[in-house]
Formats: sequence, C-alpha cells, structure tokens
Amino acid sequence: DIQMTQSPSSLSASVGDRVTITCRASQSITNYFNWYQQKPGKAPKLLIYAASSLQSGVPSRFSGSGSGTDFTLTIISLQPEDFATYYCQQTYSMPYTFGQGTKLEIK
Amino acid sequence: QVHLQESGPGLVNPSETLSLTCTVSGGSISPYYWSWIRQTPGKGLEWIGYIYYSGITSYNPSLRSGFTISVDRSKNQFSLKVRSVTAADTAVYYCARNNYGGNVLIFDYWGQGALVTVSS
Repeated sequence: DIQMTQSPSSLSASVGDRVTITCRASQSITNYFNWYQQKPGKAPKLLIYAASSLQSGVPSRFSGSGSGTDFTLTIISLQPEDFATYYCQQTYSMPYTFGQGTKLEIK
Repeated sequence: QVHLQESGPGLVNPSETLSLTCTVSGGSISPYYWSWIRQTPGKGLEWIGYIYYSGITSYNPSLRSGFTISVDRSKNQFSLKVRSVTAADTAVYYCARNNYGGNVLIFDYWGQGALVTVSS
C-alpha cells in the first residue's frame, strides 16, 4: 500500500493567518492526489483534486501544489470556518489511502 | 444535487453481520463507481472497496476478508455487508461517489456517515 504521511498532525493558527500543510507519499503518485476537509460530525469534503485543481464551490484562499511524492495545501487569510481537520488522499493505485489528518485549531 | 444517505443498525453483536445501505438521490447510480469508506480514531480513513453500477467490485486487499458490496439499480442503492464483525469493525461508515477530476479519481459526494458499534 502507498503510505501517506501528513505534517504537522496539528496546527494552531489565528484568523487571517496563512498556513501550509504537507503530505508525503511513500512512492511517486504523479498528480493522483486530493485534499479533503472534515468538520466534526461531518463527512470529508473535497477541496483540491489532481494536486492543484480547486473543486467547484471551494474558496480561492485554498490552493494545492506538488507532484510525485510531495504535496502542500495552503490556506491564505484563514477564516473561522476553515478550522477543521484536513486529509490528503492518493488515488494512484488501489487500495486508495488517506493521510492521518492535520487538525487545524484556533490559536 | 446528488445526495447519499447511509442506513442500517447502529449496534451489531460480535461475530454477526454488519449491514448498511446507501441510498442515492438527486442522480442516477449509473454510470458511476460507488465506494464505502470507514473511519476510526485509531486507523483514520480506510477505503473498503467500490462497486460499479453494473456490479463489478473491488476491495481493499489490506483489510481482512468478509466484506461484500452489492448494488440494486432499481432502488438506486448500494450496500455493504461485513461478516463476523469484531470490536475492530466499530467505525463511522461512509458511502461516497467515485468520479473523475480531470483524469484523477475523486470522491466527490459523501453520505453523512453511519456510526456502527460492535458490542454485545
């Protein structure tokens, strides 16, 4: 299985901050890579697909980059509704696997 | 707007079979692939497997045996059965639609999740 490792596991930030979350795959997955946001008691929501494409309806303060094994999610000008847990995912090969999550908390 | 809803018992006895159904509304189950994913505090999000509307299935080989996904096109539903459950199968189970963003597989619609506890 392809292992997805996110860092950090948790992050404290303030409204208006810029934050970056990283994800590393255990082997190259080219751009078969997605980011999801999950709020407590809710299902994950697709934010970014194909490493850098913004899903319809997602605010432009979210962006993704990377290719191969290293990927980043950047959120500029954090809003109160952005405090959530973020997961990366590879769909390069089955079984499709997720990172362990990064919990973004209010400082 | 596509909507997915999981349904099934929230409590299952150890060694019995867990059964969940996902009802798709606002769209057709054809011609998509549909997945089951579960989430636990210990293992996080785990993809269980998918089914194509035609009935073709694929399962996560890293999970133990005993998972079966089926589809009922007439009801716009697909289902998950997990045989011989243990406490380790306690999880929130999600159903989701597989789609493509460009050429990349994505899970673009999810159900709200169903908490299933395995306990006597």
